[in-house]
Amino acid sequence: KAGVTQTPRYLIKTRGQQVTLSCSPISGHRSVSWYQQTPGQGLQFLFEYFSETQRNKGNFPGRFSGRQFSNSRSEMNVSTLELGDSALYLCASSWGTGGNEKLFFGSGTQLSVL
Amino acid sequence: GENVEQHPSTLSVQEGDSAVIKCTYSDSASNYFPWYKQELGKGPQLIIDIRSNVGEKKDQRIAVTLNKTAKHFSLHITETQPEDSAVYFCAASSRANFGNEKLTFGTGTRLTIIP
Repeated sequence: KAGVTQTPRYLIKTRGQQVTLSCSPISGHRSVSWYQQTPGQGLQFLFEYFSETQRNKGNFPGRFSGRQFSNSRSEMNVSTLELGDSALYLCASSWGTGGNEKLFFGSGTQLSVL
Repeated sequence: GENVEQHPSTLSVQEGDSAVIKCTYSDSASNYFPWYKQELGKGPQLIIDIRSNVGEKKDQRIAVTLNKTAKHFSLHITETQPEDSAVYFCAASSRANFGNEKLTFGTGTRLTIIP
């Protein structure tokens, strides 16, 4: 069974640009969560989608948004990039929704903002 | 919201010795506590989890203990091996902005096994 796939693996952008990251969950998983990982802050929760609906949202500005498609694939978008947005963005899928589910993470997209 | 503190931030142990990583949480309603291992260039991988109705769980060389009264839980790795070198994250379930549960992670422990 294929794992969680995130594309692209690396991205370099400049301040003010926008970026879209993609995540394909494990087959059969309907929930996709996104996390931002930085050396100083650890893993910070961005949002969770289940059956195309956003079920949960972390404390990030509105520049961070996401969506989920009918096949459970998810994308997240960051607009008006700032230097502080440089991070590893991780996607995780689970069979069900909520904080009591086992999460399966992808390898992440490393975003560098110059 | 939930706050999860993890200690130590770095840990070096001799191969064959035991390693212990400790976490505390703030939300008494938390009821699910997983541990993740992250190797270089990879995403975190679940290695063991425990729910609040259980005090201890073991899987081969790895064990987790939970003290709900004190709101802390620990990861124990015995007979450590070089492949145990990685960053370990604890997490606890908590209510997020929409009222639905999510996982809050600790800041990680970088474990180094010295051959």
